[in-house]
Amino acid sequence: ILNVEQSPQSLHVQEGDSTNFTCSFPSSNFYALHWYRWETAKSPEALFVMTLNGDEKKKGRISATLNTKEGYSYLYIKGSQPEDSATYLCASHQGQNFVFGPGTRLSVLP
Amino acid sequence: DTEVTQTPKHLVMGMTNKKSLKCEQHMGHRAMYWYKQKAKKPPELMFVYSYEKLSINESVPSRFSPECPNSSLLNLHLHALQPEDSALYLCASSQVAANTEAFFGQGTRLTVV
Repeated sequence: ILNVEQSPQSLHVQEGDSTNFTCSFPSSNFYALHWYRWETAKSPEALFVMTLNGDEKKKGRISATLNTKEGYSYLYIKGSQPEDSATYLCASHQGQNFVFGPGTRLSVLP
Repeated sequence: DTEVTQTPKHLVMGMTNKKSLKCEQHMGHRAMYWYKQKAKKPPELMFVYSYEKLSINESVPSRFSPECPNSSLLNLHLHALQPEDSALYLCASSQVAANTEAFFGQGTRLTVV
């Protein structure tokens, strides 16, 4: 069974702070790593799909990096805003498996 | 149109009922997925359809029966469910390639009584 982990489980930051969290996954049979943002009562929204070791992707204030050799990805949020409050899920696609991590719940306090 | 539409949004059913969840997308995606999400847990993959054929069944009990009648529609037929099957059921679609993003519906909140 593919084990995808995320840390921390939850995080509270002040508006304007920058923050980051981690997704770790087995490095064998790796195809792609997905990051999703899931706000309460909405559908999960894709942020990034990353496939290559050393990939770095950016969307506005959010960016992500990927290390497939050691099996981890970081998600960074620069200058957090209250609207960034959500659960951030990573999902790893390896072989026939597509498994979500447990998520990091981010709360940005005004 | 980048929407995945799921109906109904909420469903309450008894253990002897038969009901169906529906999912629709018009993005030309040929991969469609059913996920089950229990409170405070990540979504768990149930089924994957690729080109309207079932390609992955994650050992889901037979009381859940998926159906993909065409490339835009995905159904999940429910029969003789148990209270522990109560959960949020999410549908998603994507291109078939592994490195493409999936688009999710808002889910159906199912309660089995």
